[in-house]
Parts: sequence; structure tokens; C-alpha cells
Amino acid sequence: GAVVSQHPSWVICKSGTSVKIECRSLDFQATTMFWYRQFPKQSLMLMATSNEGSKATYEQGVEKDKFLINHASLTLSTLTVTSAHPEDSSFYICSASPGTGPTYEQYFGPGTRLTVT
Amino acid sequence: KNQVEQSPQSLIILEGKNCTLQCNYTVSPFSNLRWYKQDTGRGPVSLTIMTFSENTKSNGRYTATLDADTKQSSLHITASQLSDSASYICVVSVWAGNMLTFGGGTRLMVKP
Repeated sequence: GAVVSQHPSWVICKSGTSVKIECRSLDFQATTMFWYRQFPKQSLMLMATSNEGSKATYEQGVEKDKFLINHASLTLSTLTVTSAHPEDSSFYICSASPGTGPTYEQYFGPGTRLTVT
Repeated sequence: KNQVEQSPQSLIILEGKNCTLQCNYTVSPFSNLRWYKQDTGRGPVSLTIMTFSENTKSNGRYTATLDADTKQSSLHITASQLSDSASYICVVSVWAGNMLTFGGGTRLMVKP
């Protein structure tokens, strides 16, 4: 099956610093990639959708200047949390889809645990 | 407003027993419904995906049903194992783009 990886799997950073999370589709080309955030005992919340070579589309309430998304190739998307604060501590999950549309499967990465101290 | 509601929120069963998880949705226009298993600290893994014309789909000990008329789905787990302990998430897709609407999940714990 299709495999999506994330790196790092966990990261601890100090308040005010920035951290970059990578999402890679290992065995398929991802036309669209998605970034989700998940707080403890809650379901996934979509943060943004990105298509290769285009600017990301952010969900309402998500600060695009704080959560920078780059989808530079068909196999790599990055999420950079800028000037991180403790409230940004969360589990960040990416997913990748080989096409645009509801019939295409979204393959989820294993997630990245971010802790901001 | 598109919504997906799951019940129960949490469930504890003994190893070897069966259980059924419920999902009700008000997503429109409906495209497909998916069940995912999410282990703690991991990303979701797809179990089944059903379109409106499919009533049931199985994946090993997991069997999902869909009633598109009543907008209800269930996930039945047979002969539960300790490794089934996880959150099970019902996700509905609309017929446009890649937008998914997530349910809140059911946290299942299987005890020996």
C-alpha cells in the first residue's frame, strides 16, 4: 500500500523558535497534501490543503503566517511552525492523495508530536 | 452544516468478544464513508471505504455497513484482540474536492 512518512516523529523546541516538519509520499506522487492537528482525545482538525506548486489553502482560524506550508514537489510537503508557543504543542499529521477528488484515498503519515517548552 | 457523530465515545470489552461502533452523518452531497483505526500516537490507517451503493464491506475481522437512506454506518469487530485497542474514526467525504469530515472517534479498549 501507499506509504507516507513524517520527520521528525517527535520534537521538543523552546518557545519563540521555529520548527519544520516534513511529510513525504514514498511510493506515489501526491497531487494534494493535507496537514492536520490533533489535540489529546480529540479528532483530527484540518489545518490546510496544498497542491504541488501552488499556495496552500488554510482553514478558517489557522494563521497562514504562523504555519508555513510548502509543497515544492510531488513527494514532499513541509509545515513550519514559526515562533512556536506552548499552545502550539500538539500532534501534527499529514496526509497525501494521488489525485484531487473524493474518490482518491488519503494516506496518512504517522504523525509528529510537537512539544513547545 | 456537515457533521459526523460517533457512538459510543469509549468502549471497554473483553478479549474475544464482538463489538459494534456507530456513526451517523449529515454530510451532503455524500461521496463515500471511511473507517479508520488510529493507534495512540500514530496516524490513522484505513480499514474500509464505501460508496453510497455499497451496503457492507469487510476487512478481516472488521465489517462495515452503510445505510445511505438513514445516513448511518456501523463498524463491527469480531473476536476482538488486544491489538484492536485504538480509536476508530468514521470519516465522510463530500462529492467535491478532497474535503473529509471527521467524527470524534470511539476509543476502544480490549482487556484480557
